[in-house]
Amino acid sequence: DTGVSQNPRHKITKRGQNVTFRCDPISEHNRLYWYRQTLGQGPEFLTYFQNEAQLEKSRLLSDRFSAERPKGSFSTLEIQRTEQGDSAMYLCASSPPASGTQYFGPGTRLLVL
Amino acid sequence: AQSVTQLGSHVSVSEGALVLLRCNYSSSVPPYLFWYVQYPNQGLQLLLKYTTGATLVKGINGFEAEFKKSETSFHLTKPSAHMSDAAEYFCAVRGLSGNQFYFGTGTSLTVIP
Repeated sequence: DTGVSQNPRHKITKRGQNVTFRCDPISEHNRLYWYRQTLGQGPEFLTYFQNEAQLEKSRLLSDRFSAERPKGSFSTLEIQRTEQGDSAMYLCASSPPASGTQYFGPGTRLLVL
Repeated sequence: AQSVTQLGSHVSVSEGALVLLRCNYSSSVPPYLFWYVQYPNQGLQLLLKYTTGATLVKGINGFEAEFKKSETSFHLTKPSAHMSDAAEYFCAVRGLSGNQFYFGTGTSLTVIP
């Protein structure tokens, strides 16, 4: 069990650029979640996948954000036309079928200049 | 709506003293409740969870929490603090759909030698 991995761990970008993050869940975990965490706050739910289907999206997820999980394995989160307010830690978590327990990755820290 | 409130954004205890971190929840259905720990620049790690059954839940690293429906509380305790317990602690509740999780704003625990 190698745990949930996320790449890159850090990303610095200029306002207006697009960025893409990758999450590799624990194998055989069919559920995958994306969260955003800003300094001094708890994680905020962004979106949820069950296998390749995106079943829930938060209202926080503006149309500049898109997430995919094409084969039900790894997932990508893309932010288009980044804004300074997008600076945050982006966390990915996965969980096995019929379990409420999420296993979190180390996160990708994004800084938008 | 589901939500959690963590009372006290910062808690300091002496090494060997009791740790008490407070969490109150709001839920329109029987809640699933969680405590996570986050070390600097890392993802969240599950300490313990309550779903149904026994209201006193034991977790890893000597932590435990008690679900009290009458008080809508799920406080985290540890009899004797260690230096390694210094971290950020988050309480969370599962949303109505079962696919969203709502986190508190966190409590930063400092352990004084």
